[in-house]
Amino acid sequence: AQTVTQSQPEMSVQEAETVTLSCTYDTSESDYYLFWYKQPPSRQMILVIRQEAYKQQNATENRFSVNFQKAAKSFSLKISDSQLGDAAMYFCAYRSFENTGNQFYFGTGTSLTVIP
Amino acid sequence: NAGVTQTPKFRVLKTGQSMTLLCAQDMNHEYMYWYRQDPGMGLRLIHYSVGEGTTAKGEVPDGYNVSRLKKQNFLLGLESAAPSQTSVYFCASSYPAYEQYFGPGTRLTVT
Repeated sequence: AQTVTQSQPEMSVQEAETVTLSCTYDTSESDYYLFWYKQPPSRQMILVIRQEAYKQQNATENRFSVNFQKAAKSFSLKISDSQLGDAAMYFCAYRSFENTGNQFYFGTGTSLTVIP
Repeated sequence: NAGVTQTPKFRVLKTGQSMTLLCAQDMNHEYMYWYRQDPGMGLRLIHYSVGEGTTAKGEVPDGYNVSRLKKQNFLLGLESAAPSQTSVYFCASSYPAYEQYFGPGTRLTVT
């Protein structure tokens, strides 16, 4: 089974600054998707950004961007101009295509605090 | 368009009691999933379904059963609740090859 590792249980950033959350994964598959989800205190899981493994270009969504290094199996999330509303738990997720159900595998999460 | 909904939002059970969690989606998604979320452990897959009438085991299926009689609904059952099943339960749905959409979660406490 694939594994997803988030080595930073907690991170903090000053408002308006930039922060990078790390994620690594282990797989032997060549085709897959990677995602970052945000979980605010409301508990709702919200998709932040996704990356297709076959694409070399890093995905961006407004203030959120990723650094996808396929050979290194690394998928970090950069949040620019951090805002108070960015405070949440962030989960990295891997979607497999080589098993029935296209299962997702989640990391254990990084809790992000934004300091005013 | 309600997306993914879960019923109930909160529940307290005594050890040995049974209950069913209901997940409904109105996006015509083929795939549906049940996860549990525990502190420090992320989301772990309990069971999933790739279509109406199909179910399969995930990472932590013991103590749970599921059914998908209709495409839009995915039920998670606990036949004899145990304190170890105290958790937050999330349902999700998706098309193949796309991101999952999550429900708001159900907080279950077993005493």
